[in-house]
Amino acid sequence: EVELVESGGGLVQPGGSLRLSCAASGFTYSMYWMSWVRQAPGKGLEWVANIKKDGSAKYYIESVKGRFTISRDNAKNSLYLQMNNLRADDTALYYCARDHISDGIDRWGQGTLVTVSS
Amino acid sequence: QSVLTQPPSASGTPGQRVTISCSGSSSNIGSNTVNWYQHLPGTAPKLLIYSNNQRPSGVRDRFSGSKSGTSASLAISGLQSEDEADYYCAAWDDSMNGHYVFGTGTKVAVL
Repeated sequence: EVELVESGGGLVQPGGSLRLSCAASGFTYSMYWMSWVRQAPGKGLEWVANIKKDGSAKYYIESVKGRFTISRDNAKNSLYLQMNNLRADDTALYYCARDHISDGIDRWGQGTLVTVSS
Repeated sequence: QSVLTQPPSASGTPGQRVTISCSGSSSNIGSNTVNWYQHLPGTAPKLLIYSNNQRPSGVRDRFSGSKSGTSASLAISGLQSEDEADYYCAAWDDSMNGHYVFGTGTKVAVL
């Protein structure tokens, strides 16, 4: 069974950093693109970034470019999101997800909550 | 700010058909396929439709998708109480070096 388990969320002050992790199991991780998607309180879904199977290509939403870095370790079946210079509007539940690009995001974790507040 | 526009809400009585629209542009829906997601509060989102009109295994055929030009729509036939959820369209957008974009979301209520 496909399972995605996020960790690393928490409370951080504006300007601070956090590193989210996602442990994947139940599928051949290295054969899939992966994404991070977030949902701010009371708001809709917002795609944040994705990464190619071998990590050679990465895409980001404009608002996080230069601040967030997506990466993966295929040997550890893990996905990461390094978040620097965090802002209040980065407060959200962050989902790790398996990405089929044009065919959609077909598996999601339960999310990890990031709160940016002083 | 999403570039895919959906109505904020839709509703129907059990058994009715509900349609949700999704309006985009040439850089997203106009040149890429559309996916639809169902999101119930407190749960992970679920892929409902991919590649405009394809249903993943396990998704009921009460859900159907279509696309025309820069717009798409999701239809829910035989509305059931369990369909009460938020629905999002999404597509890859070729602008700004490429990014995936979700629609504004539509809350479906079963009256």
